[in-house]
Amino acid sequence: NAGVTQTPKFQVLKTGQSMTLQCAQDMNHNSMYWYRQDPGMGLRLIYYSASEGTTDKGEVPNGYNVSRLNKREFSLRLESAAPSQTSVYFCASTGTGGRQPQHFGDGTRLSIL
Amino acid sequence: SQQGEEDPQALSIQEGENATMNCSYKTSINNLQWYRQNSGRGLVHLILIRSNEREKHSGRLRVTLDTSKKSSSLLITASRAADTASYFCATDKDGATNKLIFGTGTLLAVQP
Repeated sequence: NAGVTQTPKFQVLKTGQSMTLQCAQDMNHNSMYWYRQDPGMGLRLIYYSASEGTTDKGEVPNGYNVSRLNKREFSLRLESAAPSQTSVYFCASTGTGGRQPQHFGDGTRLSIL
Repeated sequence: SQQGEEDPQALSIQEGENATMNCSYKTSINNLQWYRQNSGRGLVHLILIRSNEREKHSGRLRVTLDTSKKSSSLLITASRAADTASYFCATDKDGATNKLIFGTGTLLAVQP
């Protein structure tokens, strides 16, 4: 049971470079989420997708774009990376209906120099 | 930001002792959830309590919710070294979209 899989696990970028973080879930979940986790600040929602074909901004969307490629996959793109985007990025998914727990991947640790 | 706050930020106890973590939040909620995060890993869901519930148990976990004070607590009884982790509360405002607002977390260290 893979659950939520994120790739890559680690990445170092230079300022201005672009990259896409990948996330896939095998639980047939409708909703998927991207968070960033910074020291002392908990998790903050970047974007979420309530279902295939829909995406919506979260609390901190600036500098990011997302694509819900299909029901399984939800990618996060940094078009022009900035040092302020150095963080740990988590993808999560949840099933249909309210009051559902979120299932998380193990994160991508991204450093931007 | 509507993030909640957790208290204490860090807690160190001996194996066998109980650990209590508190969470305060700012807006009305549909439900509140607690998650655990082991070092270098993703978050794992522990327990969900609805706004009309006051207390919930799951194994060695006991969660309380006081909506009048906008606060919740997580009690871990008879702690073990394996309970060492960060613990986060998360609030769900409407219970429909499952969008969560996370607190800043409590780092629990259980000494063997």
